[in-house]
Amino acid sequence: QSALTQPASVSGSPGQSITISCTGTSSDIGSYDLVSWYQQHPGKAPKLMIYEGSKRPSGVSNRFSGSKSGNTASLTISGLQAEDEADYYCCSYVGSSTWVFGGGTKLTVL
Amino acid sequence: QVQLVQSGAEVKKPGASVKVSCKASGYTFASYAFSWVRQAPGQGLEWMGWISAYSGNTNYAQNLQGRVTMTTDTSTTTAYMELRSLRSDDTAVYYCARGGHVPIAVADPPDYWGQGTLVTVSS
Repeated sequence: QSALTQPASVSGSPGQSITISCTGTSSDIGSYDLVSWYQQHPGKAPKLMIYEGSKRPSGVSNRFSGSKSGNTASLTISGLQAEDEADYYCCSYVGSSTWVFGGGTKLTVL
Repeated sequence: QVQLVQSGAEVKKPGASVKVSCKASGYTFASYAFSWVRQAPGQGLEWMGWISAYSGNTNYAQNLQGRVTMTTDTSTTTAYMELRSLRSDDTAVYYCARGGHVPIAVADPPDYWGQGTLVTVSS
């Protein structure tokens, strides 16, 4: 199972919106509405931000939203804040209790 | 509150084995699964495998088949990950993460994560 494809980096200014893409195949993202997104600050464990493509766990800001079209999932962060600067990883269920992660995207808040 | 507390850092020589523990609290242990995920220095996340604390069923990443074993101990609410025949490219931070409610929500992604255990493989 190959890793999902994410841009290496994205950037935006405070208050702006950014979108991170995550491209898979018809065997992973295209087959399941089960994409999740994680935020990871340096030296910290990942934090679940989005699950089942667009749902937010309790406590996650509604500035974070997710969507999917075909084999590509997207994470949008609106109203960028300095604290959003982190690495973001997408993850897709691929069946049979198996998951695959994307390569990660470094978000820089300018 | 859900907490996963992992064992401390390890330094191993090539060819050795390592066993990382993950003590869970704050929920019904046997009702959920675990995933193990590793992250090499400066690299991304790599899913290693999954174990149901309900049944003990496992599924391992293809590239680790034969070298990894995941287990759970319901009496101590602890999950374990053992990796054998260690190589230098196994140097990474290893995370345990709570998976979905089993058996009804197997496909739920990892939600709560341990703090990570650094395993260094060096001669």
